[in-house]
Amino acid sequence: GENVEQHPSTLSVQEGDSAVIKCTYSDSASNYFPWYKQELGKGPQLIIDIRSNVGEKKDQRIAVTLNKTAKHFSLHITETQPEDSAVYFCAASFGNEKLTFGTGTRLTIIP
Amino acid sequence: DAGITQSPRHKVTETGTPVTLRCHQTENHRYMYWYRQDPGHGLRLIHYSYGVKDTDKGEVSDGYSVSRSKTEDFLLTLESATSSQTSVYFCAIGSGLQHNEQFFGPGTRLTVL
Repeated sequence: GENVEQHPSTLSVQEGDSAVIKCTYSDSASNYFPWYKQELGKGPQLIIDIRSNVGEKKDQRIAVTLNKTAKHFSLHITETQPEDSAVYFCAASFGNEKLTFGTGTRLTIIP
Repeated sequence: DAGITQSPRHKVTETGTPVTLRCHQTENHRYMYWYRQDPGHGLRLIHYSYGVKDTDKGEVSDGYSVSRSKTEDFLLTLESATSSQTSVYFCAIGSGLQHNEQFFGPGTRLTVL
């Protein structure tokens, strides 16, 4: 089945700096790659996604890039703010209704 | 929150007792999912449903059953709870053309003593 690896497991960055989280996937047929943000005590929230026919997508300070040849995709957060502190999950879907999730990255923004 | 509620939000139970968790949605989505979240494992799919009375297993389905008698409700049952089922359980709905744009409920924290 599909396998998704996520790195790093923890990440601390100074406020205002950029943060990058990377995921690799195993199934070359995967075609949908969402990112979720989870705050303490809450459910995961979809923050951005990308499909395999697109190489990059941006939404304000958040961007996702996809490298289909290398089978990896990354979340980029620029100008980080304290409210960006959370756990982030990547996921992949190989063209069906199911998602396989990475194991999460705990991002801490240092004021 | 995509109109998803889960009940109860917290539950403590004893080993061997049956437990049912409820997921309710208000937006008539066909696909619904149950996940468990454990440290170091991310979110793992237990069961999912693609319509009333239509369900299928996920990667960690042993010890769990589900039922969907109406579109808005998806129930997860632990027939005889074990300590290994202590976890946070999330329900999600599927949206979009391939139903894989998933939106999550607030979760249920279950402790099995």
